[in-house]
Amino acid sequence: SAVISQKPSRDICQRGTSLTIQCQVDSQVTMMFWYRQQPGQSLTLIATANQGSEATYESGFVIDKFPISRPNLTFSTLTVSNMSPEDSSIYLCSVVSGGGGAFFGQGTRLTVV
Amino acid sequence: GIQVEQSPPDLILQEGANSTLRCNFSDSVNNLQWFHQNPWGQLINLFYIPSGTKQNGRLSATTVATERYSLLYISSSQTTDSGVYFCAAENSGTYKYIFGTGTRLKVLA
Repeated sequence: SAVISQKPSRDICQRGTSLTIQCQVDSQVTMMFWYRQQPGQSLTLIATANQGSEATYESGFVIDKFPISRPNLTFSTLTVSNMSPEDSSIYLCSVVSGGGGAFFGQGTRLTVV
Repeated sequence: GIQVEQSPPDLILQEGANSTLRCNFSDSVNNLQWFHQNPWGQLINLFYIPSGTKQNGRLSATTVATERYSLLYISSSQTTDSGVYFCAAENSGTYKYIFGTGTRLKVLA
């Protein structure tokens, strides 16, 4: 298993601003993933963070809105840009272990006012 | 892509009762997991179970891959079991998990 730390755990932000969420893993991993969970909903994959190349975004998500960095094999950031109240969600990073199981950070609960 | 459906959407139990949660998926899977999301939003791994049966204390899970469903059994439920239970499946070889809609469980003391 992997231990994943996310920061911040929660934040309240003004509309129009940006927030960067950090994800640190205690071991080197090839793939890191970012998910969004809107209030009362299930989790939806935003993108795959690739080390050494650009992130791969899922349908409905774009780099200008959710830029991602992956500077090394243990760290990634997700930025939520030009926020609106509709961006209020829990954002979670995830890694996959050697056995194929996915592990998640504790999540960042974002409220945009 | 693969579709994942869960039932029931909501479940209320008295403490001590047993329950069965179901996860149906539309295609064969490489990976399937069950998670419990606690009231603080944290996702806790319960089982990694693309096939077969596993048990962990009061919880057990069975995946029948050929019939494309998985079951999560909770026995002697406790109030701390409350929260949302998700199953998630992956079949593309990319480890991109598709989550079901979840079962919201409330256990009453």
